[in-house]
Amino acid sequence: EVQLVESGGGVVQPGGSLRLSCAASGFTFDDYAMHWVRQAPGKGLEWVSLISGDGGSTYYADSVKGRFTISRDNSKNSLYLQMNSLRTEDTALYYCAKDISSVGLPDYWGQGTLVTVSS
Amino acid sequence: EIVLTQSPGTLSLSPGERATLSCRASQSVSSSYLAWYQQKPGQAPRLLIYGASSRATGIPDRFSGSGSGTDFTLTISRLEPEDFAVYYCQQYGSSPVTFGGGTKVEIK
Repeated sequence: EVQLVESGGGVVQPGGSLRLSCAASGFTFDDYAMHWVRQAPGKGLEWVSLISGDGGSTYYADSVKGRFTISRDNSKNSLYLQMNSLRTEDTALYYCAKDISSVGLPDYWGQGTLVTVSS
Repeated sequence: EIVLTQSPGTLSLSPGERATLSCRASQSVSSSYLAWYQQKPGQAPRLLIYGASSRATGIPDRFSGSGSGTDFTLTISRLEPEDFAVYYCQQYGSSPVTFGGGTKVEIK
């Protein structure tokens, strides 16, 4: 059974940093691209970032480019999102999601970790 | 980027009725790389349909997807009580991946 468990969320001041983690199990982690997708309170889904199975290719939404960095450690079956220069508009529930087969389609999602950016 | 517009914003229906949800893209979606998700309150999204019309693993056959190019439809043939939720379309044919704003299917 695919399991994705996010952690690392919390309250941070504008301009601050936070590192999210996602622990994956139930599938061969390095065979699949992975996503971060976020959802502001009461709002819709916004794709944030994608990383290939080997970690060699990364992609970002324009809204986070230059501030967020996605990475993975395949030896630990773990996905990360380093978030710097945080803004109030980054407040959201951040989901980690597995790609169906590295085509840009999330199929399994974690339960999310909440990031609140507030002074 | 491709903008996806979902309509209606809210659909009020009774159990047993048919639901028809629309997703329109600002430009053609490559290779019909269009997916649909269901999200219930407090839960993560669940993949229903991918490739415009293929059901994901374990999805009941009352859910069906159709369309191509810029116009796509999710149909729920007979609403069950557990189907009342928010539905999102997503395109993954062009970078960046984008989602529609969602359609809420509520009990009338």
